[in-house]
Amino acid sequence: KNQVEQSPQSLIILEGKNCTLQCNYTVSPFSNLRWYKQDTGRGPVSLTIMTFSENTKSNGRYTATLDADTKQSSLHITASQLSDSASYICVVSADDSWGKLQFGAGTQVVVTP
Amino acid sequence: EPEVTQTPSHQVTQMGQEVILRCVPISNHLYFYWYRQILGQKVEFLVSFYNNEISEKSEIFDDQFSVERPDGSNFTLKIRSTKLEDSAMYFCASSEAETIGEGGVTFAVQNSPLHFGNGTRLTVT
Repeated sequence: KNQVEQSPQSLIILEGKNCTLQCNYTVSPFSNLRWYKQDTGRGPVSLTIMTFSENTKSNGRYTATLDADTKQSSLHITASQLSDSASYICVVSADDSWGKLQFGAGTQVVVTP
Repeated sequence: EPEVTQTPSHQVTQMGQEVILRCVPISNHLYFYWYRQILGQKVEFLVSFYNNEISEKSEIFDDQFSVERPDGSNFTLKIRSTKLEDSAMYFCASSEAETIGEGGVTFAVQNSPLHFGNGTRLTVT
């Protein structure tokens, strides 16, 4: 069964600090892996998309990595800001069902002053 | 920046009633989607739509659900006879046929980002 698992479930970090979120997936055949940011009460917003051949992708202070061999990805947030408080969701797409995104449960990040 | 808009933001309905959730996708997008998120759970795929027909649907999308693009701008989700378990946040999304990435590389639709609306919270009582 295609699954996407994320860790930790939640974390609290001080403003200005860095953090790394993890994602493991079993989706096959793999097409791409995405990271989304979802603020409370809002729709998810795309941060990065990586295909099989890409192992890193940056978007400002967000850097995602992908190891397609071990089926793992990480999202690193650098110099966190209060506005980074949100749920970060790992989303994987299968090659034979690309419109049907498989969502993880998300990591709830709280940035405190 | 163009965005996907959804109306209403909150809909309350009685069990057994029909509801229509409305979405206006980004104007040059060709692929449309409905997802839902039950409170405290993962976002789940419902249906994808292209060229005026359903491309793919999930097991959730049974005969009670239907989608329509009634004109050039709207995309709707209809639930014929709502059940209590239909209570959820419903997200509409759209994507381009292709995306131009770094270095001018063209990514086909399967690698294009989905742009989500802010959702309609459906409460069935």
